[in-house]
Order: sequence, then structure tokens, then C-alpha cells
Amino acid sequence: GESVGLHLPTLSVQEGDNSIINCAYSNSASDYFIWYKQESGKGPQFIIDIRSNMDKRQGQRVTVLLNKTVKHLSLQIAATQPGDSAVYFCAETLNSGYSTLTFGKGTMLLVSP
Amino acid sequence: EPEVTQTPSHQVTQMGQEVILRCVPISNHLYFYWYRQILGQKVEFLVSFYNNEISEKSEIFDDQFSVERPDGSNFTLKIRSTKLEDSAMYFCASAALGTNEKLFFGSGTQLSVL
Repeated sequence: GESVGLHLPTLSVQEGDNSIINCAYSNSASDYFIWYKQESGKGPQFIIDIRSNMDKRQGQRVTVLLNKTVKHLSLQIAATQPGDSAVYFCAETLNSGYSTLTFGKGTMLLVSP
Repeated sequence: EPEVTQTPSHQVTQMGQEVILRCVPISNHLYFYWYRQILGQKVEFLVSFYNNEISEKSEIFDDQFSVERPDGSNFTLKIRSTKLEDSAMYFCASAALGTNEKLFFGSGTQLSVL
């Protein structure tokens, strides 16, 4: 079946570096994508979203890039901080009205001071 | 900032027992969801709820599961006869009208079935 997946299970960076977390999705019909951050013992926290009619969206220190041609999504975190250490999930959905999210497996981001 | 709250944070139960997981969604939200995450695995959709009825459910959400919105604030997930494989972190989520894809999650209830 179609699914969302991640290339790198763990990413280790130094504080101040820029981080890039990647995600491949296979459902070409998906039209809305979200990145979530999950800290230990907590629920997924919304970071940034993007619709399929866009290829880039920027937030505070974060940028999401969408390449529909190769069905690839990335999350860029600028000037990564120790507080950014968490598991990051991409999720996709169809704008079907009730929006069941399909999550990827997650990437652990470890930021060293 | 408004948030989704879940109780209890941890629930231990014996196999075959009934459990009820409770959630208070964000007050002006109209879409409600349950997801679960088995340790080390990805977050999986269970059920969505809108306008006092189930709008969508996954294969995981079998006859042992039910949801209810008994009043204007609570949203519950009941598992009638728990199995060992029901052990997981259960997340409640809610979304506002018009932005129903943008889910806000609670901190979860860790269910352990012994």
C-alpha cells in the first residue's frame, strides 16, 4: 500500500548547524503535508504545514520544501538548538474533509551543544 | 495557549478488562481524533469523529473500540476487552472548523495491558 517514509532514522548535528530532515511520500494524491515534532513523553506538536500547490513555506527558523515531481518533503531547521532534539514526523493527508493523517516512521534529531 | 488534555497519563490494566481513556479537546474545535503509537513505531490513525458520529475509522478500530462525546467537553475512547497488543500510547487530537487537517495533539495516555 502507499505510505510515507523517512530516509534517515537518526540525525546528529552540532548546535548552530542547519538540519535537514527528509521524507518520501508515495501517495501522489496527497495534497497536504505537515511536520510534527515529538519530544519524549509528549504528543506530536505541529511545526509547519504545506499544501500541494506550494513548493516552499517558511516559518520561524523552519522551512518546508515540497517536490511533487519526486514526491519528496523536507524540513530545514536553521541554527539548530539543543531544544530541537526530538523525533520529527512528516504526515500526509488528502483534503477529504476528515483528514486522516498518515504518519511516517520518524527521524530522531540529536543536537549536541 | 489552548491545548488538548488527556487523562490519565498512564493506565495499567489486566488483559480482558475495559478501559476508558479521556480527552478534553480544545474548546472551539469540532473535529476529534484518536491515534495510537506502539513503542518505537509510527503514529497510527484509529478514528475520527465529527458532528457526533464517527466519520472515519481504521482497521485497528474494531468492535472492541468505541468513542463517545458524552458532553460538550469530553471525548472518550473505550476498549471493551483489552488485549496485550493494545499496549501503546494513545493520543487524542482535535481540529477547528475549516482547518480540519491541522491537528493538535494531547500528550497521550500510555496504556499497558498485562
